[in-house]
Amino acid sequence: NAGVTQTPKFQVLKTGQSMTLQCAQDMNHEYMSWYRQDPGMGLRLIHYSVGAGITDQGEVPNGYNVSRLNKREFSLRLESAAPSQTSVYFCASSGPIAGSYNEQFFGPGTRLTVL
Amino acid sequence: AQSVSQHNHHVILSEAASLELGCNYSYGGTVNLFWYVQYPGQHLQLLLKYFSGDPLVKGIKGFEAEFIKSKFSFNLRKPSVQWSDTAEYFCAALIKAAGNKLTFGGGTRVLVKP
Repeated sequence: NAGVTQTPKFQVLKTGQSMTLQCAQDMNHEYMSWYRQDPGMGLRLIHYSVGAGITDQGEVPNGYNVSRLNKREFSLRLESAAPSQTSVYFCASSGPIAGSYNEQFFGPGTRLTVL
Repeated sequence: AQSVSQHNHHVILSEAASLELGCNYSYGGTVNLFWYVQYPGQHLQLLLKYFSGDPLVKGIKGFEAEFIKSKFSFNLRKPSVQWSDTAEYFCAALIKAAGNKLTFGGGTRVLVKP
């Protein structure tokens, strides 16, 4: 199993450009999420999904859209990138165990710089 | 809203020293607690987790954590660190009543000097 994969690993954008970060998992997990990691702030939840076609906002959703077309993939889109979105982005997934959710498995991250 | 706080942003130790990293969460109900580690240039990996039962949880690489409900704490410990423990450590809380969203602390960077 590859676990959670993310593409690209690195990206540099100019202010106002758009891009989509891709995430896929092969563990048949229902729950997927996107986080951003900034120094001293830990990981903050951007958006999450509990199944195909079902998404919801996390702690810092502004400026981001997500899409969960199927169980396996969960993409994050920046429509008009801003320097404040310079960060490392992690995708994670988890599956339910006994009515609750177990540990989340993280992807390798995407380092995004917006100039 | 629930929150997770980690007391130390940076910790510097020598090899063989003992490590304790503090973590407090602010939620009065049932929580699942986690410690994740991020080695330089790598993604987060689970060190240990607490769901229920014995409040002293043992994880990988010699780490353990103690859940103290009365103090809303879940501190991470290792009796004798190694240079390879240099990493950033994150405490996280998952609250089922809050939609199973994982809330992270700000992280603690640990540097172990050889």
